[in-house]
Amino acid sequence: EAGVAQSPRYKIIEKRQSVAFWCNPISGHATLYWYQQILGQGPKLLIQFQNNGVVDDSQLPKDRFSAERLKGVDSTLKIQPAKLEDSAVYLCASSPSRGNTGELFFGEGSRLTVL
Amino acid sequence: DAKTTQPNSMESNEEEPVHLPCNHSTISGTDYIHWYRQLPSQGPEYVIHGLTSNVNNRMASLAIAEDRKSSTLILHRATLRDAAVYYCILRGTNTGNQFYFGTGTSLTVIP
Repeated sequence: EAGVAQSPRYKIIEKRQSVAFWCNPISGHATLYWYQQILGQGPKLLIQFQNNGVVDDSQLPKDRFSAERLKGVDSTLKIQPAKLEDSAVYLCASSPSRGNTGELFFGEGSRLTVL
Repeated sequence: DAKTTQPNSMESNEEEPVHLPCNHSTISGTDYIHWYRQLPSQGPEYVIHGLTSNVNNRMASLAIAEDRKSSTLILHRATLRDAAVYYCILRGTNTGNQFYFGTGTSLTVIP
């Protein structure tokens, strides 16, 4: 079974530039998450989708971050304009269900460096 | 967020058992206890979860205190591949069914 695919694996940009990350979840998984992980910290939830609808985006900095999940499959996370503090690994995860026993499957992440 | 408290780091000798503790004194009756681990340069991966009873799987065992205010992840024989950050997470209606990761316990396995 193919896992969660993310691209690009690495990205270096200047501050105030824009960047986009792509995620392809495991086939059939209705729930998709984006997490931000700053070096030395645990992952922080940015946004959760159920199919193509947003369930929780309370921790997403909406002035610069946006995410979409068209057709309830792939998802894109965009940052515009990037700040130095956005340097982090962006992790995508998917789950077959929203219930509190569902396992999350993570991708390998996209590492962003903002100079 | 429903809080969990874990030691920042632990060490274990290879092939010895490892007991990773987690305190969650504010746990509610519907919160499940999940453990994930994160190997270097990888995304977190599921280890085990439970509600009230102790649980075993091929990776580990989860021992849950009777009052559910603490739990222990048990790796029966640590290997070098078990060196990772281990996260104890509560998930349930008290957390909006979300996974909120803390800083976890960094496990070092000594050959």
